[in-house]
Amino acid sequence: AQKVTQAQTEISVVEKEDVTLDCVYETRDTTYYLFWYKQPPSGELVFLIRRNSFDEQNEISGRYSWNFQKSTSSFNFTITASQVVDSAVYFCALSASKGGATNKLIFGTGTLLAVQP
Amino acid sequence: NAGVTQTPKFQVLKTGQSMTLQCAQDMNHNSMYWYRQDPGMGLRLIYYSASEGTTDKGEVPNGYNVSRLNKREFSLRLESAAPSQTSVYFCASSGFVGRGSNQPQHFGDGTRLSIL
Repeated sequence: AQKVTQAQTEISVVEKEDVTLDCVYETRDTTYYLFWYKQPPSGELVFLIRRNSFDEQNEISGRYSWNFQKSTSSFNFTITASQVVDSAVYFCALSASKGGATNKLIFGTGTLLAVQP
Repeated sequence: NAGVTQTPKFQVLKTGQSMTLQCAQDMNHNSMYWYRQDPGMGLRLIYYSASEGTTDKGEVPNGYNVSRLNKREFSLRLESAAPSQTSVYFCASSGFVGRGSNQPQHFGDGTRLSIL
């Protein structure tokens, strides 16, 4: 069975603080993909990053960084120097590839991040 | 750039009524999906279409039907709406899927559906 767990339901930080959002996944597939999406208060879902199971390199994009560790089945997301505009619900998602099967996404329950000014 | 377009954006129905949610994408994607989002439960897959002419059940298909009208359009139908189907519905699409290249899904803005 595939599962994504985001244990942090809500996080509140003050602007300029660093914050890490946790994501733990479960899958028996050796090839899989992990994603992060952002859902701001306006409601749309914005794609942030995709990582495949063969690439454990960490990635940095501006104030965002992602730490993928297969040994602990985790794909954590860090925002450095948080800003009020980062306030949103963040979803981690998993998709397993089986030689051409469609990439159905299994979502975590999301983490609501509130950045206070 | 329209991307994925969903209509309507809001709808209120009475129990037992039927309706169809429309979704269209202009990115020439093969695969399309319907999700529902409920508080505290993330997004759950209702139905998906890997390619034009095919549809398959997702995690929560009961009470819904879908039609992949052509490559661009994928509709979701509620035949007899129930209060438990009150939710926000998202349509998504994705490009090439296969070993080494699962493309991210692109989402529409959602349809807020209330069933009284």
